[in-house]
Amino acid sequence: AQKITQTQPGMFVQEKEAVTLDCTYDTSDPSYGLFWYKQPSSGEMIFLIYQGSYDQQNATEGRYSLNFQKARKSANLVISASQLGDSAMYFCAMREGLYSGGGADGLTFGKGTHLIIQP
Amino acid sequence: NAGVTQTPKFQVLKTGQSMTLQCAQDMNHEYMSWYRQDPGMGLRLIHYSVGAGITDQGEVPNGYNVSRSTTEDFPLRLLSAAPSQTSVYFCASSYLPDRGDGEAFFGQGTRLTVV
Repeated sequence: AQKITQTQPGMFVQEKEAVTLDCTYDTSDPSYGLFWYKQPSSGEMIFLIYQGSYDQQNATEGRYSLNFQKARKSANLVISASQLGDSAMYFCAMREGLYSGGGADGLTFGKGTHLIIQP
Repeated sequence: NAGVTQTPKFQVLKTGQSMTLQCAQDMNHEYMSWYRQDPGMGLRLIHYSVGAGITDQGEVPNGYNVSRSTTEDFPLRLLSAAPSQTSVYFCASSYLPDRGDGEAFFGQGTRLTVV
């Protein structure tokens, strides 16, 4: 079974609209972290936002927020007021075993969502 | 502010050749890792290291070798290149995961083609 599922291979959104990118995850570990990365066409991986499994509040970073629904194992990325420069691939990732001496097994990535912002 | 530096950016190899992808970080991170990215897939972990002298296998280690003699450097060796190793390779570093967020900083990537 996939540990990270991103169900939207591609999305087209009008500029200035809000965007929600879906991510569901599967883990039995109580301590884990969820990440979102942006990969523009130039290829680099850009860290956007992080949510820990014990964090009480949803993470926010500027125009990015993470809608964390722990019971549903969902960690959707919300981009407010989208811009043309937001066009890119977006990856959800998870690291398990935090705080328990684990977590050294690296990040598990979803397959990504290709977001295109239209003027 | 170099961060994570990977070299080369592009490489073409013939089947059976060997080569080393270089990765260096200047953030004094304990944790370093190598991923490969194939079309339509996310990144998959090849090997990782939690400190100098300590390495371990990730999800797709076959055909690759690593070593970590210093905190800064984590080279990835392709022992005998195969067309299936055509991919984009990313090196990443972070503080150890048990610090919490352990944000991974990625290099620019190496696009490798094996013919």
